[in-house]
Formats: sequence, structure tokens, C-alpha cells
Amino acid sequence: QKEVEQNSGPLSVPEGAIASLNCTYSDRGSQSFFWYRQYSGKSPELIMFIYSNGDKEDGRFTAQLNKASQYVSLLIRDSQPSDSATYLCAVNQAGGTSYGKLTFGQGTILTVHP
Amino acid sequence: DTGVSQNPRHKITKRGQNVTFRCDPISEHNRLYWYRQTLGQGPEFLTYFQNEAQLEKSRLLSDRFSAERPKGSFSTLEIQRTEQGDSAMYLCASSSRGGGFLRNEQFFGPGTRLTVL
Repeated sequence: QKEVEQNSGPLSVPEGAIASLNCTYSDRGSQSFFWYRQYSGKSPELIMFIYSNGDKEDGRFTAQLNKASQYVSLLIRDSQPSDSATYLCAVNQAGGTSYGKLTFGQGTILTVHP
Repeated sequence: DTGVSQNPRHKITKRGQNVTFRCDPISEHNRLYWYRQTLGQGPEFLTYFQNEAQLEKSRLLSDRFSAERPKGSFSTLEIQRTEQGDSAMYLCASSSRGGGFLRNEQFFGPGTRLTVL
């Protein structure tokens, strides 16, 4: 079992719709969770992070965390073609000797079509 | 530009040659991470520095790999005797958060794409 799992997609949504990206993790000691966006050929760009159960909203983005289910998701409202990218979920154990290293999923490819 | 910078952006080398990459973190950041990313995969952690101290290394970092951060500012990653399997994007990230690592937002540089022929 991979430490961080994402559906690789591609996920295709029409412009203006809500895109829902999901991520599960195996280590119950994980404490904070990050979503990155990566355009083809570019480096990951931080969108937002969450470390408390529940929802966290930032503009068109909402991160949702359920530690009991070991599940984190990212919702993108009013999706735009410019949102088409790979979305990476990253998990931080934030304890012991992890020193905050991030463990990434393989990423979900999102395509927003006009 | 006050973001993380990496040089070179691209490197093509022949198998068996040594290569060195440089990372300049965001100036006030004391934490620096190296990751490696291959096509279709997420980045994989390689090593971590806090100031000049290398505090963690991944099992992925074989003895052909060495990293330094001599004055706690820029960092270098050297690969000796490169192999075709070393072809990847090498990413550097930096962060700064006093105290614990809970809110350890890492900001990535543009990466160095290595191709080993």
C-alpha cells in the first residue's frame, strides 16, 4: 500500500463546474496536509494546507480533512481552463525525526474543458 | 525575484560523469529540502538541511549522492558516476517556521532537469 494515494485520473470537468480531488494516506501519525498544483514541465506550486479536521476555504479552493478516515480532499469551485494541471497531495508527519519532509501522492491530472 | 532559484535548469550528461546542482533558497528560510521527481510520479524526498546541518537523508540517496549547505544559505547536490536511472527533475524547496513542523509550507524552485545519456 502506498503511503499517499491519489486517483491519477485524468479527471475531466466542464468549465464552471466543481472539481473534486481526493487523497488517502496510510500513516495515522500524519499531521498536516498540503495541496500543490503542477503545470506540465513546471515545479509544484503550493495551493493550501490543512491540519485540523474539517474544511478550510481559500478563494475558489476548499480543502477538507477527515483524520479518522485518513482522507483529504480539494474542491475547486467555478473551474477554469487555467486550472488544468496535475494536483499533488502531500503529507507531513511533523513529528519524531521526520523534520517536516513531505510524502507525495502520484498526482491527479485535471482537465477543465470549455 | 525572491523565490527559490536553481541552477542549471537543464543538464545533459553522459553516463559516468559527475554533476552538481545548486539551490538558493528564499533568503530568510533556514530549512532546505531536496526532492527528485520522475515522469508521472510525485516528488520523492532526498535530504533535509536545517541551517548548515544535514539532518535527514532518504534511503534513495545512495553513496553516489552528496549534498552540502556550507554556510546555511545555498545548497549543492552532487551526483557522482551518473547512471541513466538518475535522469529526473531535481527539486529544491525551502521553508521557515519557528518551532515545530506542523505548518511547514515548502516552496519549490523551478527544478533542474537531468538527462543522463
